[in-house]
Amino acid sequence: EPEVTQTPSHQVTQMGQEVILRCVPISNHLYFYWYRQILGQKVEFLVSFYNNEISEKSEIFDDQFSVERPDGSNFTLKIRSTKLEDSAMYFCASNRDTEAFFGQGTRLTVV
Amino acid sequence: QKEVEQDPGPLSVPEGAIVSLNCTYSNSAFQYFMWYRQYSRKGPELLMYTYSSGNKEDGRFTAQVDKSSKYISLFIRDSQPSDSATYLCAMPTDSWGKLQFGAGTQVVVTP
Repeated sequence: EPEVTQTPSHQVTQMGQEVILRCVPISNHLYFYWYRQILGQKVEFLVSFYNNEISEKSEIFDDQFSVERPDGSNFTLKIRSTKLEDSAMYFCASNRDTEAFFGQGTRLTVV
Repeated sequence: QKEVEQDPGPLSVPEGAIVSLNCTYSNSAFQYFMWYRQYSRKGPELLMYTYSSGNKEDGRFTAQVDKSSKYISLFIRDSQPSDSATYLCAMPTDSWGKLQFGAGTQVVVTP
């Protein structure tokens, strides 16, 4: 069964460092998303991406964040200068027509 | 007022019992209502979704929507220890993949 895959499963980084979280969406999907879940809190929408550009972003998705689809299969989230409060689970999701499918997440720990 | 509210639990039930979960929402524009299951440190997995008001059944799971009350429910019959997870209600906003999640209810089914 097709699935969304995310790497790494866990990333530890020092405050101020840049991190790139990687996702391989389901191959025939057209829409791609990043979500964040801080421990004990709701899953929150960050950004949606379609046709090689951002289609929508939340107020969380500020200038320190960027997304890219560098080739036909990968979808990345870059956090430029990490802060302690960026520690969270980051989920990638994709869909084609209807429901979105989520990856297993990357746990980002900023120390 | 939060758009989607859900009691975080935990809700503990004995194996074989019926689990009853619910969410309330404030945005009357929501048309689709989704239930995701999330195991610890994993990504959300779609269980089922309904459109508008009414019931939908899928195996041991039944989803109900009451749009007049802005209230949705998920029932799990003959609960199993493997049903122990966090259950998230979610509504698509501008698109299928841009979801407004509830906080999630943690369910523990004890053998």
